[in-house]
Amino acid sequence: AQSVSQHNHHVILSEAASLELGCNYSYGGTVNLFWYVQYPGQHLQLLLKYFSGDPLVKGIKGFEAEFIKSKFSFNLRKPSVQWSDTAEYFCAVNGLGATNKLIFGTGTLLAVQP
Amino acid sequence: EAGVAQSPRYKIIEKRQSVAFWCNPISGHATLYWYQQILGQGPKLLIQFQNNGVVDDSQLPKDRFSAERLKGVDSTLKIQPAKLEDSAVYLCASSQEEGGEQFFGPGTRLTVL
Repeated sequence: AQSVSQHNHHVILSEAASLELGCNYSYGGTVNLFWYVQYPGQHLQLLLKYFSGDPLVKGIKGFEAEFIKSKFSFNLRKPSVQWSDTAEYFCAVNGLGATNKLIFGTGTLLAVQP
Repeated sequence: EAGVAQSPRYKIIEKRQSVAFWCNPISGHATLYWYQQILGQGPKLLIQFQNNGVVDDSQLPKDRFSAERLKGVDSTLKIQPAKLEDSAVYLCASSQEEGGEQFFGPGTRLTVL
C-alpha cells in the first residue's frame, strides 16, 4: 500500500532562515507528487507539483522541491522564509496505475518568528 | 474562476444524530473527492466520483456514511448516525481528470458531542 512520511511535525524558524521539509513515499511505480499548503484560516491550496520532466520544480512564493526517485523523496525547500510562510504543509503522492488515490502525509506545522 | 464551494462551514451535533454536507465543484471538473481530516492528520480520501459514478469508496464506512453525485455536478455526504470519532473537517475537492491537480474547498468542521 502507498504511504507518505513527513519527518518533521513542527518546525520553528526565524525569518530569513532556510527551510527544508522532508517527504518520503512508498510506491514502486510512476507517481505524481504534490505539496499543498494551508495558511491559518484558509483552505488547502497547491504549492507545487511534479508530474514528469525536470525533477527540480518551482512553485509559488519562492518554494521549490526536488524529486529524487532513488530515494523516494520529494523534499520542499525555500532559501529564506518569511513570517507569512507560517502555515501547515502537506506532501501528497498519487501512485499512477494503482488506485489513482492521493495519499497525504500527516503535515508539518511551520511557525516563522519575526 | 469560482472555487469549490462547501456548506455548512461548521456543524455541531450530538452522537447518533444525522448530518449532511454539500459540495459544488469547479465548473467542468469531472472528478470529485470527499476527504476526512482528523486533527493532527492529513486528509484521508473517503470517496471519489468520476462524473456521477463512484471510482473508489474503499475507505468510506458504509454502515454510516453515504455520498451521492446524482447529476455529475453537486455532491452530498451524509453521516447517519454520527459517532464521536466522526469529529473532523470534511473536505471536498475536484479535478479536471483523475490523477491531476485537485482544488479544495474550505471544508466543513464537524463536532460530534
